[in-house]
Amino acid sequence: DGGITQSPKYLFRKEGQNVTLSCEQNLNHDAMYWYRQDPGQGLRLIYYSQIVNDFQKGDIAEGYSVSREKKESFPLTVTSAQKNPTAFYLCASSWSTYSNQPQHFGDGTRLSIL
Amino acid sequence: EDQVTQSPEALRLQEGESSSLNCSYTVSGLRGLFWYRQDPGKGPEFLFTLYSAGEEKEKERLKATLTKKESFLHITAPKPEDSATYLCAVQARAGGTSYGKLTFGQGTILTVHP
Repeated sequence: DGGITQSPKYLFRKEGQNVTLSCEQNLNHDAMYWYRQDPGQGLRLIYYSQIVNDFQKGDIAEGYSVSREKKESFPLTVTSAQKNPTAFYLCASSWSTYSNQPQHFGDGTRLSIL
Repeated sequence: EDQVTQSPEALRLQEGESSSLNCSYTVSGLRGLFWYRQDPGKGPEFLFTLYSAGEEKEKERLKATLTKKESFLHITAPKPEDSATYLCAVQARAGGTSYGKLTFGQGTILTVHP
């Protein structure tokens, strides 16, 4: 079945540590996205990518970095510069960033501070 | 700035008790309005896309409608398995091939008691 796989499901970060969240899709979508979800708030966009080797900052990119070396993969690194990283992180994909087709989501990674 | 407000924040229903969820929005030209369902600890699951005022979409016990200022998600004779958080998002009409950003509401938590 086609879909989006995020791993790990749970992740713990120590002070000063960078951690990387994995996102893989087999939907053959060109566009991929990273969102952060906090209790009582809407999803907020961290980064998005339309094509391989190209990505753009979203609304809350500070303290995060991404890469897009393959169409299927869009890993997110939470750096030590992100002072409040505890959240539920969601990866999504769609056919294109400039179409009105829906985004489809993975099942998320919950990141906590040790 | 695009805004999405969902109400109520939480809704408790008895099984079989029909009701509606509201999504009010302001956007600089609507490209699409999306409804998602999110179960605890999971990613959002796509339900519907509405593109223009007057449009309606149905799926089992759910029916989504759209006006120029708001969308309603009507739930007819709900069952306990309909319990979830329902998210609304709007995509603004962007110029040319530029990115059409999604703005999410904070969600409505629906609980259906047997």
